Amino acid sequence: QVQLQESGPGLVMPSETLSLTCTVSGASITGHYWSWIRQPPGKRLEWIGYIHGSGSTKYNPSLKSRVTMSLDTSKNQISLSMTSVTPASTAVYYCARGRLTSGYPPFDSFDIWGHGTMVTVSS
Amino acid sequence: EIVLTQSPGTLSLSPGEGATLSCRASQSVSSSFLAWYQQRPGQAPRLLIYRTSTRATGIPDRFSGSGSGTDFTLTISRLEPEDFAVYYCQQYGTSPLTFGQGTKLEI
Repeated sequence: QVQLQESGPGLVMPSETLSLTCTVSGASITGHYWSWIRQPPGKRLEWIGYIHGSGSTKYNPSLKSRVTMSLDTSKNQISLSMTSVTPASTAVYYCARGRLTSGYPPFDSFDIWGHGTMVTVSS
Repeated sequence: EIVLTQSPGTLSLSPGEGATLSCRASQSVSSSFLAWYQQRPGQAPRLLIYRTSTRATGIPDRFSGSGSGTDFTLTISRLEPEDFAVYYCQQYGTSPLTFGQGTKLEI
């Protein structure tokens, strides 16, 4: 079955760049939409943005200026880069696959999630 | 952006009882692109319902969704011990995709 596994440093210094990778197994990343979602401790989930297997992206306007997503089809991986992090960026970061629709929006929910990775921003 | 407000914040019930969870949107959710998730402690969210009322693969029929426009409901009949968790609604009828703040279902 399809599995997602997030990886990256658990601790990032304020003002630095957070970099995470999501490795997909059991399916090719091409043809699907892959999102990053975060959940600060005790708070609601926040959608960061998506990348399609073709490389097209769409980001949450609230984070757009600091976020870049990319993919490596040879490794079947999706990556997230978030610059200028602050303690408010502390959260569990999930990657998730969008459930495809037949039109717009291209997906409407998330049918497969990774386990998530905790990232703490602190000096 | 569309703000989703869930109520109640916490719902205390017993196994065997029924539960009704509400999700209200600040604007109409286009084409009923409203989904529900269950999140148990230490786990990732699990998709329960999409397009307002369609159960995801493997979800038992005691979970049902309804609603339209700005008001949506998740109903759980005959609560099982494993149903006690936090439930989130989510919309993507309008970008950006947003989630509700969650309802905790506790024993």
